[in-house]
Amino acid sequence: DTAVSQTPKYLVTQMGNDKSIKCEQNLGHDTMYWYKQDSKKFLKIMFSYNNKELIINETVPNRFSPKSPDKAHLNLHINSLELGDSAVYFCASSQMPGSNQPQHFGDGTRLSIL
Amino acid sequence: TQLLEQSPQFLSIQEGENLTVYCNSSSVFSSLQWYRQEPGEGPVLLVTVVTGGEVKKLKRLTFQFGDARKDSSLHITAAQPGDTGLYLCAGVKSGYALNFGKGTSLLVTP
Repeated sequence: DTAVSQTPKYLVTQMGNDKSIKCEQNLGHDTMYWYKQDSKKFLKIMFSYNNKELIINETVPNRFSPKSPDKAHLNLHINSLELGDSAVYFCASSQMPGSNQPQHFGDGTRLSIL
Repeated sequence: TQLLEQSPQFLSIQEGENLTVYCNSSSVFSSLQWYRQEPGEGPVLLVTVVTGGEVKKLKRLTFQFGDARKDSSLHITAAQPGDTGLYLCAGVKSGYALNFGKGTSLLVTP
């Protein structure tokens, strides 16, 4: 059973398009995250939700909009895709927010902008 | 500004060798986590260190948290090809955001 699952695994699309990535966790965790990993493998936090409420919103273009319909899901919608958006996007979850909490990651969505 | 600096960035060694990866910062962290990421997968937590000076062992891996809680190290004894991967340290300075280092890419050849 996959703990944190993301779909799709690969996403290839044209510049200017709008796309969504879905994430679901079956761990019963309260907190979910979106990270972006660039071509140099640097992993950077984008957003975090705790109990469906936004608690972290890093400096991310407003073309990126997260949505959490319930505690088990955190989706990421991206408008007007740009070349610089090409990266691997990871969803993660933890039992609660905090520095000691282990985060469980999905396997990533590889987004390529043509 | 990068909060956590990892070194070395790349490491290629032969099976059986020992190695140490460093994670340094000028900031104090309440805890640091170490993750390993394999190609095509997400990072997987190896250990969390909380107390200054703490040492934790996971089989052939030894993790140490600096006394001042600003740095950490990962030592691997007798590395094996299965240890190949990207090693990431991560910590929270304030709030909830986990800040990652840029990672150490390790290749262990038979």
